[in-house]
Amino acid sequence: GENVEQHPSTLSVQEGDSAVIKCTYSDSASNYFPWYKQELGKRPQLIIDIRSNVGEKKDQRIAVTLNKTAKHFSLHITETQPEDSAVYFCAASKGEEYGNKLVFGAGTILRVKS
Amino acid sequence: NAGVMQNPRHLVRRRGQEARLRCSPMKGHSHVYWYRQLPEEGLKFMVYLQKENIIDESGMPKERFSAEFPKEGPSILRIQQVVRGDSAAYFCASSPLGGTYTGELFFGEGSRLTVL
Repeated sequence: GENVEQHPSTLSVQEGDSAVIKCTYSDSASNYFPWYKQELGKRPQLIIDIRSNVGEKKDQRIAVTLNKTAKHFSLHITETQPEDSAVYFCAASKGEEYGNKLVFGAGTILRVKS
Repeated sequence: NAGVMQNPRHLVRRRGQEARLRCSPMKGHSHVYWYRQLPEEGLKFMVYLQKENIIDESGMPKERFSAEFPKEGPSILRIQQVVRGDSAAYFCASSPLGGTYTGELFFGEGSRLTVL
């Protein structure tokens, strides 16, 4: 089955700096790659996603890139702010044919120091 | 449109008791997923259900755990004879079927089980 690996496990950045989190996946049939943000004690919430027919997607300070050949995708957060501090999870899915099941990475704890 | 509703939010059980966690998907959603999150760990897939059918239970422990999604009412994750290792947050997520759906799963706030 699909295996998603995520690095780093923790990341500390200074406010205003950029943060990059990387994930690799094993199943080339995966075609949907969302990123979720989870604040302490809260539910995971989608912040951005990308499909396999697109190489990059941007939404204000957040961007995701996908390299299908290498089977890896990355989350980029620019101009980080203290409220960006949270746990970030990447995930992969093979789509509706496989029930849209998401396989998650282990998570990255992002700390933004002010 | 109410989101995914889970209850109870917090549940305390003694070893050997049963835990029942309930999940009502978002209105219009017919697919339910259960995930388990151990303290300071990621989200592990447990089971995927549609109404009256278990579609994928590849992440469910072989014993003591069961799930259902009846024709009427919420989905239920049942844990029999709980042990301390069952202490975790259990998240339910839902999704619609087909249409313009993108693949996003919508998560509830979770049920936090503590086994004493």
